[in-house]
Amino acid sequence: SQKIEQNSEALNIQEGKTATLTCNYTNYSPAYLQWYRQDPGRGPVFLLLIRENEKEKRKERLKVTFDTTLKQSLFHITASQPADSATYLCALAVMEYGNKLVFGAGTILRVKS
Amino acid sequence: ETGVTQSPTHLIKTRGQQVTLRCSSQSGHNTVSWYQQALGQGPQFIFQYYREEENGRGNFPPRFSGLQFPNYSSELNVNALELDDSALYLCASSFGGGRIETQYFGPGTRLLVL
Repeated sequence: SQKIEQNSEALNIQEGKTATLTCNYTNYSPAYLQWYRQDPGRGPVFLLLIRENEKEKRKERLKVTFDTTLKQSLFHITASQPADSATYLCALAVMEYGNKLVFGAGTILRVKS
Repeated sequence: ETGVTQSPTHLIKTRGQQVTLRCSSQSGHNTVSWYQQALGQGPQFIFQYYREEENGRGNFPPRFSGLQFPNYSSELNVNALELDDSALYLCASSFGGGRIETQYFGPGTRLLVL
């Protein structure tokens, strides 16, 4: 069956450290993968997109890697801040469904000062 | 540039009733996708509208239906509400129909079915 798995437990880290979130998928062939941030009671906010032929993408303190052999993406936030505390969602773009996004359940990140 | 807006923000209905949720897409966008997000879960794709036509549908029953208007705003209708329909309903706008890359989400409508 098709699955997207993200760290099910919340990730608690100290301010200034690097947070690493994992997204694993099975039985999908995504054209690209996206990461979103979601705050409580709000809609998801787009952060980064990485295509199947790209290995790594960076934007300011954020970095995403994409390994289509391992079927895994890693999302890194360097020099984390309490304001980075949120739920982070991984989403695959599935071509056979007209580019609909298939989301993981998300990982809660808590950054403590 | 106006972002994606949704109305109402919250709604309480009883089982068996019908509900209509509304979404105004971001300026310049011609595609709207609707998602259902249960508590503690990621958003699940319901359907997408591109230039007023349905352009893909997820695993939701026919009592979930939609419309897109000439100004690209959209409605989600749910008939015969069930308790499990309680969720956050999100709409996302983008440009390009089948070539969507980034989707811009609205704040959502929180629906509670009693």
